[in-house]
Amino acid sequence: QQPVQSPQAVILREGEDAVINCSSSKALYSVHWYRQKHGEAPIFLMILLKGGEQKGHDKISASFNEKKQQSSLYLTASQLSYSGTYFCGTEINGQGAQKLVFGQGTRLTINP
Amino acid sequence: DAGVIQSPRHEVTEMGQEVTLRCKPISGHNSLFWYRQTMMRGLELLIYFNNNVPIDDSGMPEDRFSAKMPNASFSTLKIQPSEPRDSAVYFCASSFMLRDREIYEQYFGPGTRLTVT
Repeated sequence: QQPVQSPQAVILREGEDAVINCSSSKALYSVHWYRQKHGEAPIFLMILLKGGEQKGHDKISASFNEKKQQSSLYLTASQLSYSGTYFCGTEINGQGAQKLVFGQGTRLTINP
Repeated sequence: DAGVIQSPRHEVTEMGQEVTLRCKPISGHNSLFWYRQTMMRGLELLIYFNNNVPIDDSGMPEDRFSAKMPNASFSTLKIQPSEPRDSAVYFCASSFMLRDREIYEQYFGPGTRLTVT
């Protein structure tokens, strides 16, 4: 089952914060976050495995709730380079290792 | 270090023709994935291999699609015959899986943009 991402699109000014959500109707084994710029391949950002986990690097971080049905990606003090479409890829328990189902994506536009 | 290599980068073909997409995974990776991306359906997993063996092909749309991985450094995705609805960007990705249920990031190739007229 495809996870639901929200919002579908967001426009920010440089320096503002953004939150992108990824929700599933079933408990997840893992959540993978990717960013894709127009015409390019998706680039890996991070993986979350444990309920209640939070991780991040630089100004991009993510969380995975205790029930493992929702993950959020946080972008703080956004930079122009953060523009792109963000995807969550989810693995449902028992579906097989590494078989990811991706959300529809959230298009993030950062303006100067 | 070279990333995932895909060829061709662009392919334009007529309906009914055979199309073969190629992928060379990152050296040392033992899992390979074929994805298709369209505006309507997003990014979909078609098939994935582990140690050259197809593990799950439930995403392959129909019998017109086939994929092979004859060795650890090469895979093909073939569409025969092609149809206009097959137009999409096809990505190949690879990762390294040490044990089942271990989770490793997937590295995507640049993609092949396929247009079937």
